Amino acid sequence: GAVVSQHPSWVICKSGTSVKIECRSLDFQATTMFWYRQFPKQSLMLMATSNEGSKATYEQGVEKDKFLINHASLTLSTLTVTSAHPEDSSFYICSSGQTGNQPQHFGDGTRLSIL
Amino acid sequence: QKEVEQDPGPLSVPEGAIVSLNCTYSNSAFQYFMWYRQYSRKGPELLMYTYSSGNKEDGRFTAQVDKSSKYISLFIRDSQPSDSATYLCAMSYTGGSQGNLIFGKGTKLSVKP
Repeated sequence: GAVVSQHPSWVICKSGTSVKIECRSLDFQATTMFWYRQFPKQSLMLMATSNEGSKATYEQGVEKDKFLINHASLTLSTLTVTSAHPEDSSFYICSSGQTGNQPQHFGDGTRLSIL
Repeated sequence: QKEVEQDPGPLSVPEGAIVSLNCTYSNSAFQYFMWYRQYSRKGPELLMYTYSSGNKEDGRFTAQVDKSSKYISLFIRDSQPSDSATYLCAMSYTGGSQGNLIFGKGTKLSVKP
């Protein structure tokens, strides 16, 4: 069964709206979660690393003020796309892994469409 | 040169065929190698996870890593229509749960009944 749950699976909203996406680890405590973005026919690109109890680490070119990440507990990380615009439309996916060298498992993704 | 190269396909095979999927990479520091399967509009699903060089088998799937050639492969035996999906290779320098995964672009596979 799924070990990482992501919600919602699909969001359609107007330009200027802020959208929050949740990522939960179901069977384990995750000190680290990862947020990826995937454009059509492209691979996954890491946006940021979410650390429980501290600030997220953003990849080069990702605006931290636009993509707000909160990792307030060991089982939940949220990504908020603030003032979303059509160019933010994409497939957002979170992942996490148990401690040590366990592999990352991915959520089912959130398809974000900004009109 | 990109860190991870993967032929995007599409690859179309008849049911029952043996499928070979491959990735090459440039950075010899990669230690962990993964194959994920991604169905349309879904998140990637882990298929195989290996450390360093060698082979790993799980049912109809076999993963091979050749670090000397910087080349990894995934073989699917007795392919089924349900195997039709995009297959992504991924690599990391450190342990999977802590490391940044570098993905290939994915190979789209279609298995025809």
